Amino acid sequence: EDKVVQSPLSLVVHEGDTVTLNCSYEVTNFRSLLWYKQEKKAPTFLFMLTSSGIEKKSGRLSSILDNKELFSILNITATQTGDSAVYLCASASNAGGTSYGKLTFGQGTILTVHP
Amino acid sequence: NAGVMQNPRHLVRRRGQEARLRCSPMKGHSHVYWYRQLPEEGLKFMVYLQKENIIDESGMPKERFSAEFPKEGPSILRIQQVVRGDSAAYFCASSSIRGRNSPLHFGNGTRLTVT
Repeated sequence: EDKVVQSPLSLVVHEGDTVTLNCSYEVTNFRSLLWYKQEKKAPTFLFMLTSSGIEKKSGRLSSILDNKELFSILNITATQTGDSAVYLCASASNAGGTSYGKLTFGQGTILTVHP
Repeated sequence: NAGVMQNPRHLVRRRGQEARLRCSPMKGHSHVYWYRQLPEEGLKFMVYLQKENIIDESGMPKERFSAEFPKEGPSILRIQQVVRGDSAAYFCASSSIRGRNSPLHFGNGTRLTVT
């Protein structure tokens, strides 16, 4: 059974701090690793990573995948109170040889940014 | 350009009643996925449907739960004889045929409360 584990489970920082969120995975027929941000409602997509060692960036957020050591990190620099959310990591596999949107999610990291 | 639409946003049912959750995929999408998020947990895959077909229901509880995606109209997740343990947020996501390797985009969810 595919497994995704995130750490830490919760994190409290002050505005301006840099944070690193971790995600390790054990996936049969790995296809991609995704990061989502969840506030009160829908998880919103942040990054999809398929290739090891290639960093993806979006503003103050960046993420990288290591598919030999089977982990990914999500970095947020110069954090703001609006970054407070649950950050979810998910893996996608080629189940039965056919790729589709069956994701295995980690339990999430609750990030709280204080002013 | 409407995203994935779910209704109702909130649903309260007494034990033993039926709950019907609706999901309209993004325009042009013919693949729908249902996920459940229990309190303090990550999202768990329930079922994957294409128009008029259930492709993978490996995450669905064996009893009381069913899903459909008819040729016309939204996808429906139906829970019969609800129990308190069914209280959760239910999220729907969709993808297109060509977008099978694209990230899933989620609706805002239906929060089911069983009293």
